[in-house]
Amino acid sequence: QKEVEQNSGPLSVPEGAIASLNCTYSDRGSQSFFWYRQYSGKSPELIMSIYSNGDKEDGRFTAQLNKASQYVSLLIRDSQPSDSATYLCAVLPSGTYKYIFGTGTRLKVLA
Amino acid sequence: ETGVTQTPRHLVMGMTNKKSLKCEQHLGHNAMYWYKQSAKKPLELMFVYSLEERVENNSVPSRFSPECPNSSHLFLHLHTLQPEDSALYLCASSQDLTTSAYEQYFGPGTRLTVT
Repeated sequence: QKEVEQNSGPLSVPEGAIASLNCTYSDRGSQSFFWYRQYSGKSPELIMSIYSNGDKEDGRFTAQLNKASQYVSLLIRDSQPSDSATYLCAVLPSGTYKYIFGTGTRLKVLA
Repeated sequence: ETGVTQTPRHLVMGMTNKKSLKCEQHLGHNAMYWYKQSAKKPLELMFVYSLEERVENNSVPSRFSPECPNSSHLFLHLHTLQPEDSALYLCASSQDLTTSAYEQYFGPGTRLTVT
C-alpha cells in the first residue's frame, strides 16, 4: 500500500518565523511531488511542485526533496497569519496518474 | 481562483433524492477527476476521465454515476445516497495523463449533506 505520511499538527509558529512542514512517502519510485494549501472550508490550492532532488524556491516558499530519504518538505519564510491553513502533500508514484495525498498538516501562525 | 468551477457549492439532499454535481474547466485540460474529501481522511480518488473516456473507477458504489460529455465538463450523478456520503466533493483537472508532471487544479468543491 503506497502511503504518504504527514504530522497532523497543529504546528504553531509565531508571525515572521519559518514554518517547516514535512512529508514522507513509501513508494521509492515516485517522481513528482506537490504541496497544496487548503483553507478551512475551501478546496486545495496548488502552491509548489518539485520533481528533482534539492530545493525549489518560489517567493516565501521553498520545497525540498530528498528521494534517497523519501521525504519532501515545505518551508514558509516570514510566516503570516494568512498562511494559517492545512498543507497537503501529494505524491505521484511512477507509472501512474493517481496522486497519493497525505492527511495534511494544520499550520497556525500566531500574530 | 482556478479555472475550474463547480455547482452547486452546497447541497442538502435526502436519501431518496436524485441530484447532479457539475464541474467545468476553462484551462484546456484533457483530464478530469472526481475526489471525495471527508474529515480526517486523505482525499479519495473516485473517477478519472481522459479525453471524455473513463479510465478509473476506484471501487465507487453505483449510487455515484459520473458523466463526461466533453473534455470541459464533468458531472457526478447522485441517487439513493447514504448519510456517510456526506463530504466535500472536489473536481480537478490536469493537462493530461501521459506526462510525468501533470499538476492537478481543483475546483471550489460541493459540500454535500445527506439527511
